[in-house]
Formats: sequence, structure tokens, C-alpha cells
Amino acid sequence: GAVVSQHPSWVICKSGTSVKIECRSLDFQATTMFWYRQFPKQSLMLMATSNEGSKATYEQGVEKDKFLINHASLTLSTLTVTSAHPEDSSFYICSATNAGMAPTDTQYFGPGTRLTVL
Amino acid sequence: GENVEQHPSTLSVQEGDSAVIKCTYSDSASNYFPWYKQELGKRPQLIIDIRSNVGEKKDQRIAVTLNKTAKHFSLHITETQPEDSAVYFCAALAGYIPTFGRGTSLIVHP
Repeated sequence: GAVVSQHPSWVICKSGTSVKIECRSLDFQATTMFWYRQFPKQSLMLMATSNEGSKATYEQGVEKDKFLINHASLTLSTLTVTSAHPEDSSFYICSATNAGMAPTDTQYFGPGTRLTVL
Repeated sequence: GENVEQHPSTLSVQEGDSAVIKCTYSDSASNYFPWYKQELGKRPQLIIDIRSNVGEKKDQRIAVTLNKTAKHFSLHITETQPEDSAVYFCAALAGYIPTFGRGTSLIVHP
């Protein structure tokens, strides 16, 4: 149980275009989902926390108008990188917590999405 | 906010040796400390965790210890195997948002 999927697993796009990444909880309802960014050989950097049906809470320094997060249902959250630039190239990972299964603070990670902006 | 320091950044051991990774945290309200293993290009996977009401937890070759007074916790891997080679991250949580350490690249030489 507690499986999280992400789609796509990798994407290459041109500078200036927008890219949408989906994060799904497959066998549980995720009241809270998290979006992380990870550069090579670095730690996970939390970008934002999203709760179903409400606006995402962004970490300091993360542009909410550039990284649009939507958490429309208990099993799906999306991250849209708008007007992508080469410096947005990174590994984006989502995670989810399962409010219905103790412990409720354990995070289950998706497999990540490798974004390359040309 | 919380600050988590993790050491060493790189750890190289021979197969069969033990490996220890240490983390310190700053927020005394933190009460949950998970450890994640991440292989190259893959998702972080929870390998063990400990809560503040426990001093030590063990799962086969992996153990975690917690010293609340000193605000540090450690991951111990015994009888290391080449497949243990990965990056390991510690984290500390006071609520439901984790603060991660910078990671330790563990290399186990056959």
C-alpha cells in the first residue's frame, strides 16, 4: 500500500514552454502532497505543500506564478512549470501523506520526473 | 525554523564493515526522524524511522539511535553489502513538513 506515481518520468521541452507533471496516490487518499526539487548530488528542496481543495503553500523563494500547483482531488496533484528556462532543469519529486493510515506523517515518494529544458 | 546537519557527506567502506551516519537538528519540538535511501535517479525510500519517545530502533542490519538531549540521531548499518551503496538522507519533523539533511553518499566496496 501507499504507492505514489508520477507522470511523466522524464520530459524534454523548449525554453518558454510550459510543462505539467502529475502526482497520483494510487491506493490511498492523500490529503497532503508535497513537491520537491532535487539538483544533482544535492538534497531534496521542498517547493510547496498542497492540501486537497485549497491553495498550495509555497516555500520562501519559490515563485508561485512560475510553479503552479493544483490539488483538485484526494489522489491527484499537478505541478506546472510555466515558461520554463534551462535553469528549471531538475529532478522534481512529489510525496504524499496518508491521513487514513497511522503514522500520518510518513511521506511516500513518487518516482520523480526528470525535466530538461533546452 | 528547523536546521538539520548531516555528516559525513561521503562514506566509503569495505563490504562487511559497519557504516554510521550522523545528523543533528536544532528544533527541540521535532519528534519524528525518518531515514531515506535514494539510489541514483530513483525515489527516496523510507528505510527506518524513530520517534522522540524511543531511544533506539532496529530492523535487521539497520538501526537508528536518538539522543533528544543532544539533539542528534544516527543511522547504523552493519555487515554492509554492495547493494547498500546509495545516498542516505536523514530528516526531522516537528509537524508534517520534513527538513532534510544534505545527504550521505555511501559506497560499499566489494
